[in-house]
Amino acid sequence: NAGVMQNPRHLVRRRGQEARLRCSPMKGHSHVYWYRQLPEEGLKFMVYLQKENIIDESGMPKERFSAEFPKEGPSILRIQQVVRGDSAAYFCASSPPNRGGLNTEAFFGQGTRLTVV
Amino acid sequence: AQSVTQLGSHVSVSEGALVLLRCNYSSSVPPYLFWYVQYPNQGLQLLLKYTTGATLVKGINGFEAEFKKSETSFHLTKPSAHMSDAAEYFCAVRNTGNQFYFGTGTSLTVIP
Repeated sequence: NAGVMQNPRHLVRRRGQEARLRCSPMKGHSHVYWYRQLPEEGLKFMVYLQKENIIDESGMPKERFSAEFPKEGPSILRIQQVVRGDSAAYFCASSPPNRGGLNTEAFFGQGTRLTVV
Repeated sequence: AQSVTQLGSHVSVSEGALVLLRCNYSSSVPPYLFWYVQYPNQGLQLLLKYTTGATLVKGINGFEAEFKKSETSFHLTKPSAHMSDAAEYFCAVRNTGNQFYFGTGTSLTVIP
């Protein structure tokens, strides 16, 4: 069973371009989470999705950022018109449904390191 | 709403010394608690978790943590630090709504 797959691992974009970050959850996992990590800072929650639904996007900036988790295919975090402040590591995690204490943890991908130049 | 507090963003210990990383949480219901470790340029990997049952849980690499409901704490310990333990450590709580809340992390330095 492959782990959570994120691609690309490294992404360089010029200011004003779009960045698309992909996350394929582990097989059987219907919950996907996106986090942003800046140097010397912890993990900042961005969005929590289940298949075709956004459950909690309270951590997403109101503009330029969007996320989806379609019925088929990976989850996508999309950043439009990137600015230098968007440079960070973006991590995706997945988990199966909570079943009475079993399978309770989130599994993380290796992250995508976005650099805006 | 849940929150997780990790006291001490940086902790330094000598090789062979006790490691103690502190975590306190706020939760209105019994939570699921986790410790994750992150090595440079890597994702997070699970060290250990508490769901139900025994309050002292053992994880990988000799780490363990104790759930203390009365203190709302879930501190991480290891009797003897190794150089390879140098990393970032995150405490997390999962609520019944399947949301994960992470602390701000503690960077552990091991001094030879």
